[in-house]
Amino acid sequence: EVVLTQSPATLSLSPGESATLSCRASESISSFLAWYQQKPGQAPRLLIYDASNRATGIPARFSGSGSETDFILTISSLEPEDFAVYYCQQRSVWPLTFGGGTKVEMK
Amino acid sequence: DVQLEESGGGLVQPGGSLRLSCTASGFNFLKYWFHWVRQAPGKGLVWLARVNTEGSSTTYADSVKGRFTISRDNAKNTLYLQMNSLRAEDTAVYYCVRDLFDVLTGRGPPGYWGQGALVTVSA
Repeated sequence: EVVLTQSPATLSLSPGESATLSCRASESISSFLAWYQQKPGQAPRLLIYDASNRATGIPARFSGSGSETDFILTISSLEPEDFAVYYCQQRSVWPLTFGGGTKVEMK
Repeated sequence: DVQLEESGGGLVQPGGSLRLSCTASGFNFLKYWFHWVRQAPGKGLVWLARVNTEGSSTTYADSVKGRFTISRDNAKNTLYLQMNSLRAEDTAVYYCVRDLFDVLTGRGPPGYWGQGALVTVSA
């Protein structure tokens, strides 16, 4: 199965700062990567699909890039509501797999 | 609006069985693939199973293959997860998830999530 490794595990930032989250795949997954945001007690929400496409209703401060094995989620200027856990997920190969998550916490 | 509502969660003893249901509304149920994804307390997301539009094709994670069965009733707009031989490590919130796009538009990733059903396996 494709292993997705997210880094860092935790990112401590202040509102207004930029966040850069990384997701590395154990083999090439083309651009079949998605990013999700999850807040405590809530279901995950899709942010980005196919590496760089924002889902409906997702603010422009969220952007995704990358292909093959290396992917980045950037949050350009953190809003208070952006502090959450972020997961990457691949759909190139069954079984679908998720990364272990990056927690973006308020400094 | 896309709505997915899970039900059937609860407390079950090790070795027992439970069936989760997911009732869908707000879209054409027939046109989408569905998944079950779980999250153990304080842990990450784990994909479990998927089913195609007709219910004729399924895929499972190794961790649940042979114990869990995903199915759907298109007449009732309902997705199911039959869970047998439950273990303590199956304790988790179970999410019903729909593909982002329908089969004609290329499916996309899991895009719409229910709120989840808690399953606790304990004696």
